[in-house]
Amino acid sequence: DVVMTQSPLSLPATLGQPASISCRSSQSLVHTNGNTYLNWFQQRPGQSPRRLFYEVSKRDSGVPDRFSGSGSATDFTLRISRVEAEDVGVYHCMQGIPPFAFGQGTRLEI
Amino acid sequence: QVQLQESGPGLVKPSETLSLTCTVSGVSISPYYWSWVRQPPGKGLEWIGYVYYSGSTYYNPSLKSRVTISVDTSKNQFSLHLTSLTAADTAVYYCARRRDLDYWGQGTLVTVSS
Repeated sequence: DVVMTQSPLSLPATLGQPASISCRSSQSLVHTNGNTYLNWFQQRPGQSPRRLFYEVSKRDSGVPDRFSGSGSATDFTLRISRVEAEDVGVYHCMQGIPPFAFGQGTRLEI
Repeated sequence: QVQLQESGPGLVKPSETLSLTCTVSGVSISPYYWSWVRQPPGKGLEWIGYVYYSGSTYYNPSLKSRVTISVDTSKNQFSLHLTSLTAADTAVYYCARRRDLDYWGQGTLVTVSS
């Protein structure tokens, strides 16, 4: 089965500065149909997870454009161009080829 | 708008079976996939499995022997059954739409304890 590895697990960030989270998979996430199934979720304190991106870089409605998703095959990155206070929480990547699997989660704090 | 709401017992005894229901509103169960995810206190997310509106399923191999997910299109609900519970099954259980989890419920805490 695919194993997802995020780094760092804890990310001290500075308001207004960029931040990035890495997610690596033990196998390629390119499906036979040509799509790459990697999702990113944000989980604010005390809340349910919220999807930010699907298929690597397709942004969900309402997600600020300071967030971006990129990568290919086994190496993926979530970037925040300018961190804001509301970005505090845990970020999870998830591979979307069954059986699915999440990374360990990255805690972003100011 | 799409809303999901988990319901079920908050406390279950070891060795017993957990039964949770997710009630969907704002959209029909058909023609989507519907998923369950859990999160032990202070830990990361674990994918449990999904069910298609037709009833076909796919489960996490680590839970496959103990889990059943089913769908009731007449009630616009889907359910999770997890048998032979231990303390390690204590978690917040979330239901979500689709395999890529675009909408989530608020979650329900299930504690396994005697």
